[in-house]
Formats: sequence, structure tokens, C-alpha cells
Amino acid sequence: GAVVSQHPSRVICKSGTSVKIECRSLDFQATTMFWYRQFPKQSLMLMATSNEGSKATYEQGVEKDKFLINHASLTLSTLTVTSAHPEDSSFYICSVRGDSKETQYFGPGTRLLVL
Amino acid sequence: AQTVTQSQPEMSVQEAETVTLSCTYDTSESDYYLFWYKQPPSRQMILVIRQEAYKQQNATENRFSVNFQKAAKSFSLKISDSQLGDAAMYFCAYRRTGTASKLTFGTGTRLQVTL
Repeated sequence: GAVVSQHPSRVICKSGTSVKIECRSLDFQATTMFWYRQFPKQSLMLMATSNEGSKATYEQGVEKDKFLINHASLTLSTLTVTSAHPEDSSFYICSVRGDSKETQYFGPGTRLLVL
Repeated sequence: AQTVTQSQPEMSVQEAETVTLSCTYDTSESDYYLFWYKQPPSRQMILVIRQEAYKQQNATENRFSVNFQKAAKSFSLKISDSQLGDAAMYFCAYRRTGTASKLTFGTGTRLQVTL
């Protein structure tokens, strides 16, 4: 398997500020990480695929300049929500493929509330 | 495009009884993976079971087993001897083989476990 951590677990911020969420792969080196967004009572929606040492690949409809992704090392990817607005309030989850490359394992998620 | 359908938004089972959650998918691929993930109230996504499409034998993990019908594109999850801790959202997911492939989730089934 794979152990994935996220920080912070929850954050409250004012509208217009930026928020950074960290995702760490604790027990193996992940060249690829995934960022998801989940609204209440809904399924997970893939936002982007984070690739170590290169630019992230964003899904259609996801604003690159709004959701900045950096994957500077094999164990850390960050998602920065820039100029956050109340509609950005959501649950953000990161994920990595295990060393077998077959199964994805998920972090505990970050709950973002923008006031 | 691949789609995953979970037709049961909610299910209920009595403790110690057996319940089956349904999942169908649509794909033109012959080689792929199927997963069931559990999301309890903590919202941590937990892998329940995984099935490789090339394997005819149904996967089993303790009280959890699947009925994989490749021709029918059906992948149901059976939970035996249900426990209170099984109460959660259950998501069926599909991913074709290949490092660039992405997980496609169903809309989820909320499972209630009653005494």
C-alpha cells in the first residue's frame, strides 16, 4: 500500500486570500500524485494530475491559474488555491499510486471553508 | 469515455446480515482494474477490494467479496456478516491499465447498518 498525509486537515480563510495544501507520500517515492475535489454527498472529481519535476495536467474546466500545483519532490505535492472565494469551499483530497502502480491510495483530505 | 454507474443511492442492512452493492461500467478496453472504496464519516477513502479484469476468479478480502461479470460489465460488492463499522459511502471505480490512466468513480452508495 501507500501512506499519504495531508496538511492542514481543515482551514478557514477569508475571501481573496490564498491557501496552500500539502500532500505527502510517507513511505515511497511518488512520481505522480492526483488532486481531487469532493462536494458534500457527491463523488470525487479529479482536478489535476501532478507530475514530479514537470507541469501538472489539469482536467477540463479546472482553472490552472486558480489551482496552482507544484510537485517539487518525489514525496511532496502542493495545491494552492489562489484568491479563494466562497465557491471554492470544498473537500480536497490527494492520492498516489502505490509502488505496484495499480492501486491509488488517498490522503485524509483537507476541508476548506472560505468566508 | 468510461462510465461507472451505481444505481443504488442508499442501502440498508441489519447487523450480521449480508448486503450486495451494485456497480456497472462501460468500457471498450479488455484489460483494466476495478475497485471498491469505502468512505466513512471521517471522509478518508479506504480501499476495500481490487479486481484485475484478466483474472476470472472473484477477489475476496475477509468479509468482502465481489461478483465480477466481465461480459455483463458488472462488478458488485458483497459484504457478509455486516458490522456497524461498515456504515459508509461506497464508491465503485474503474481504471484501465497504463500509467497515464485515471480513476473513474461511480456516484456512490450510502450503506446504513442497523441493529
